Amino acid sequence: ETGVTQTPRHLVMGMTNKKSLKCEQHLGHNAMYWYKQSAKKPLELMFVYNFKEQTENNSVPSRFSPECPNSSHLFLHLHTLQPEDSALYLCASSQESQNTGELFFGEGSRLTVL
Amino acid sequence: GENVEQHPSTLSVQEGDSAVIKCTYSDSASNYFPWYKQELGKRPQLIIDIRSNVGEKKDQRIAVTLNKTAKHFSLHITETQPEDSAVYFCAAPTLYNFNKFYFGSGTKLNVKP
Repeated sequence: ETGVTQTPRHLVMGMTNKKSLKCEQHLGHNAMYWYKQSAKKPLELMFVYNFKEQTENNSVPSRFSPECPNSSHLFLHLHTLQPEDSALYLCASSQESQNTGELFFGEGSRLTVL
Repeated sequence: GENVEQHPSTLSVQEGDSAVIKCTYSDSASNYFPWYKQELGKRPQLIIDIRSNVGEKKDQRIAVTLNKTAKHFSLHITETQPEDSAVYFCAAPTLYNFNKFYFGSGTKLNVKP
């Protein structure tokens, strides 16, 4: 399926582990995002990248480290997470020049921190 | 920054009835208001949006209305069907960064057959 793909879909990790989430978009968009979705809470914006440059870090703890090597790929590196970080992590992309604001989301990576 | 509040958090309707979900926002400069639908286990997807230069927009059974004076916008679904059952999110951007959206907390709509 074209669009926005995320891997892995499910991840279980201990608090001392290091893991990474991967996102790839096949839409030719120039902006990519990481959102956190927790139960009964609004979608929380974590990071924004425009043309591979980070333009937003929404007060995210340093145990989350994003990486955007090119406009099609986005990673979220995870290190020494806490159980409260367990959530669905959604990647999204958009075409900023169109100024429509439409976000195209991936299916998400369900993270469980033990 | 922008503050978006969404009500109700859950909504249960009978098939064929109408459903209305409301959102309020705080930044009077916000000018674009999308609605996303997220089915169980699926990704959020844009279903309709409205810009501040119009008061209403309709697409088949769904419509969105905007009251800029009162700073609220609403999603209307008519003739609801079981496949409309999902979580619906409203959102509004900040003025200084069009890429930065504040989302409402979501409304879980259940359409009973």
